[in-house]
Amino acid sequence: QKEVEQDPGPLSVPEGAIVSLNCTYSNSAFQYFMWYRQYSRKGPELLMYTYSSGNKEDGRFTAQVDKSSKYISLFIRDSQPSDSATYLCALSRSSGDKLTFGTGTRLAVRP
Amino acid sequence: DAGVIQSPRHEVTEMGQEVTLRCKPISGHDYLFWYRQTMMRGLELLIYFNNNVPIDDSGMPEDRFSAKMPNASFSTLKIQPSEPRDSAVYFCASSQLGTSEPGTQYFGPGTRLTVL
Repeated sequence: QKEVEQDPGPLSVPEGAIVSLNCTYSNSAFQYFMWYRQYSRKGPELLMYTYSSGNKEDGRFTAQVDKSSKYISLFIRDSQPSDSATYLCALSRSSGDKLTFGTGTRLAVRP
Repeated sequence: DAGVIQSPRHEVTEMGQEVTLRCKPISGHDYLFWYRQTMMRGLELLIYFNNNVPIDDSGMPEDRFSAKMPNASFSTLKIQPSEPRDSAVYFCASSQLGTSEPGTQYFGPGTRLTVL
């Protein structure tokens, strides 16, 4: 069993839709939770950063962490064609530890 | 800041040849990571350094792969001899503790390697 599981998609939604992306994990030692966005032929870039449980909002993006269920989510409101990319969750046990990445979910937002 | 710099951006080589990928991390960052990304396996960590010292190389696939970090501003990943199954995009990333979001990794643009 992988430490981090993520549905690879692809996920196709119409413009304006609410998108929900999720990861589950098995190691309760994870404390830092991130979402990276990767456009085609580019490197991943940090989108959201969360420490421990709770919610964090940044514009149209909301990240949720439920440590009791070992479940993390990224919500995108009013999705735009420019949100079309692969979204990867990334987790670590400490700030100096390596990141464990999910396999990524490919999202396409149709105009 | 210019961000993480990788070279070359594209490399096409023949099986058996030596390949050297280069990375310049963001100035002041004390961690450097090498990843490989393929459709089948996703993003895999190969090795990472802290203050130029290798910390974890358990992801290096085999002895054909080696990585060095001679100073804080330069690292290389070498494949010798290369094989077609090494074809992938290789990313370098760097990070720094002591920030508001410690452990955040900043990725370079990647090197797309094709081994024929």
